[in-house]
Amino acid sequence: GAVVSQHPSWVICKSGTSVKIECRSLDFQATTMFWYRQFPKQSLMLMATSNEGSKATYEQGVEKDKFLINHASLTLSTLTVTSAHPEDSSFYICSASPSRGNQPQHFGDGTRLSIL
Amino acid sequence: GQSLEQPSEVTAVEGAIVQINCTYQTSGFYGLSWYQQHDGGAPTFLSYNGLDGLEETGRFSSFLSRSDSYGYLLLQELQMKDSASYFCAVRDSGNYGQNFVFGPGTRLSVLP
Repeated sequence: GAVVSQHPSWVICKSGTSVKIECRSLDFQATTMFWYRQFPKQSLMLMATSNEGSKATYEQGVEKDKFLINHASLTLSTLTVTSAHPEDSSFYICSASPSRGNQPQHFGDGTRLSIL
Repeated sequence: GQSLEQPSEVTAVEGAIVQINCTYQTSGFYGLSWYQQHDGGAPTFLSYNGLDGLEETGRFSSFLSRSDSYGYLLLQELQMKDSASYFCAVRDSGNYGQNFVFGPGTRLSVLP
C-alpha cells in the first residue's frame, strides 16, 4: 500500500526557533500533498495544499510567511514553521495520495511540535 | 459552505456492533472516506465509498447514500483496541478533486 513518511516525529525547541518538517511519499509519486494541523481532541484542519513545482495554496487564516511550504520533487514536501512560538505547538500531519481520482489520502505519522 | 456532522462520542461493550453516522454538505463530492485515529497517532485509512451502497472490509463496513448526503461506518465484534476517534472525510471539488474535508470526529470507547 501507499506509504507516507514524516520526519521528525517529535520536536521540542525554544521560542523563536524555525522548525522544518519533511513529508515523503515512499512508494509513489505525489504531485499534491496536504498539511494539516490538529489540536488535542479536535479534528484535522487543513493548513495548505502543497503542489509540486508551484506555490502552495493556503487555507484562509493560515499565514504564508509563518508556514513555509516547499514541494521541490514528486516525493518530498517540507513545512517550515518560522520563528515558532508557544501558540504554534500542535500536531502537524501531512498526507498524500498516489494519483488524482478516487484514491484515499495516506497520512504520515505526524510531528508533535512543542515550543517552550 | 462545507460541513460534516458526526456524533461526538459513542460507547459500547466488547463484542457489540456500533454504527457511526456522518452527514455532509460540501461543494462537489468525490467520495466518503473513514479514518481511525488512536490517541497520539496519525489517522489511518479504513474505508472508502465512491458509489452508493455498502463496502465491507473485515469487521468494518461503510455505507453511502449520495442522495441523502449520508454515510455510516459499522464496526462489528468490537474489541478493546477499537477504542479511538473515527473521522469521516469527504473529497470535494477543490484542487482537482483532491481536497479533503474532515468531520469533527467520533470518539469510540469500548468497555470490557
